[in-house]
Amino acid sequence: GENVEQHPSTLSVQEGDSAVIKCTYSDSASNYFPWYKQELGKRPQLIIDIRSNVGEKKDQRIAVTLNKTAKHFSLHITETQPEDSAVYFCAAKDAGKSTFGDGTTLTVKP
Amino acid sequence: ETGVTQSPTHLIKTRGQQVTLRCSSQSGHNTVSWYQQALGQGPQFIFQYYREEENGRGNFPPRFSGLQFPNYSSELNVNALELDDSALYLCASSIEGPDSGAPYNEQFFGPGTRLTVL
Repeated sequence: GENVEQHPSTLSVQEGDSAVIKCTYSDSASNYFPWYKQELGKRPQLIIDIRSNVGEKKDQRIAVTLNKTAKHFSLHITETQPEDSAVYFCAAKDAGKSTFGDGTTLTVKP
Repeated sequence: ETGVTQSPTHLIKTRGQQVTLRCSSQSGHNTVSWYQQALGQGPQFIFQYYREEENGRGNFPPRFSGLQFPNYSSELNVNALELDDSALYLCASSIEGPDSGAPYNEQFFGPGTRLTVL
C-alpha cells in the first residue's frame, strides 16, 4: 500500500522567513496531493492541493511543487506570520484511499 | 450550505463495548471518508463510502464497519473496543465521481469525535 513520509517533524522559523515541508510517497498510482493545516483542537483544513498532471501551484504566500518521477512534493510558505503556526499534513490519494503523513509542527516566532 | 457535522463530540467507553459514531456530510456531497487520528499523529484512513457503497479501505480490522445512507450521511461502528481505539475520529465529505467535474476533489472535515476507551 501507499506510504507517505513527511519531513521535518518540527520546524521553527522567524516571522518573515520561508518554511519548506517535504513529503515522499511510494505508490505511483497516487494522483492527488492535498496539504492540510490543523490548529490545536480543530479539524484539518485544506490549504492547497495539486493533481498529478501539474508540477506547481501557487496561492498567495503558499505554493506546492510536485515531482512525479521522484515521487515527492513540497509545501512552501513565504513571509511567514505567527498565525501560520500549526501542524501541517501532506496526503496522497489514489481512487478511494488517502494516506497522510505524520505531520510537521510549524512554529513562527514573532 | 451546511458544513460537515459529527456526533457525539466526546464519548467514553470501556474495553469490549461497541460504539457508533455519526457524520452528516456537507450539502451536495456524495462521499464520506472516515479517519482515526491518534494524539500527535496524522489521520489514518479507515474507509470511504461513495453513494452508499464502500469503495476504499485502509488497514483496519473488520470490527471497524460503516454505513452510508441515501442522504449521504454515514455511521462508523466499532465492535469489541480496545484501549488502542482511543483517538479522535474524523469524517470528511467530498463530491466524487463522474458528475464532480474533476478526478478528485477537496475533502471537508468534520470537527471529530473524541473516543476514550477505558
